[in-house]
Amino acid sequence: NAGVMQNPRHLVRRRGQEARLRCSPMKGHSHVYWYRQLPEEGLKFMVYLQKENIIDESGMPKERFSAEFPKEGPSILRIQQVVRGDSAAYFCASSLPGLAKGNEQFFGPGTRLTVL
Amino acid sequence: AQSVTQLDSHVSVSEGTPVLLRCNYSSSYSPSLFWYVQHPNKGLQLLLKYTSAATLVKGINGFEAEFKKSETSFHLTKPSAHMSDAAEYFCVVSVGYGGATNKLIFGTGTLLAVQP
Repeated sequence: NAGVMQNPRHLVRRRGQEARLRCSPMKGHSHVYWYRQLPEEGLKFMVYLQKENIIDESGMPKERFSAEFPKEGPSILRIQQVVRGDSAAYFCASSLPGLAKGNEQFFGPGTRLTVL
Repeated sequence: AQSVTQLDSHVSVSEGTPVLLRCNYSSSYSPSLFWYVQHPNKGLQLLLKYTSAATLVKGINGFEAEFKKSETSFHLTKPSAHMSDAAEYFCVVSVGYGGATNKLIFGTGTLLAVQP
């Protein structure tokens, strides 16, 4: 059973370009979470999605950032018109459906975005 | 609101000596608490979790943590450090939706160095 997959692992963009980060959850997982880790900091929650639904986007910046998790295919985190401050590691996690307390989130290896 | 505070940003121990990584939490109800480890340029791996069962939780690689409600603490310990334990460790509390574990709130991390 493959773990959470993210691609690309490394992404370089120039200021003003778009960045698209992909996350394929573990098999059987229908909950996806995106976290951002700025240099020298811990992870910060960005958004929580279920298939075709955004459940909580309280950690998403108000502009330029969007996320989706379509019925088919991976979850996408999209950053438009990137700026240097967007440089960070972006981690995706997935978990089982259902309301089990303590359901573990399994993390992917992350995408390291560098904005030149 | 839920939060965690990791009291030490850096901890250095000698190989074979005990490890103590400190974490205090704040939660308005019975929390789910986790410790994750992150090796350089890697994703996150769950070490252990507490979900209101036994207060002493045993995890992988010889790590354990004790939930102390009176002290609002969830410190991570290991009797004898190994060189391979050198990594960054994150204490995490969950924010649940209807009792489920969903959004994770990360501490700022403790970087563990193990000296030969």
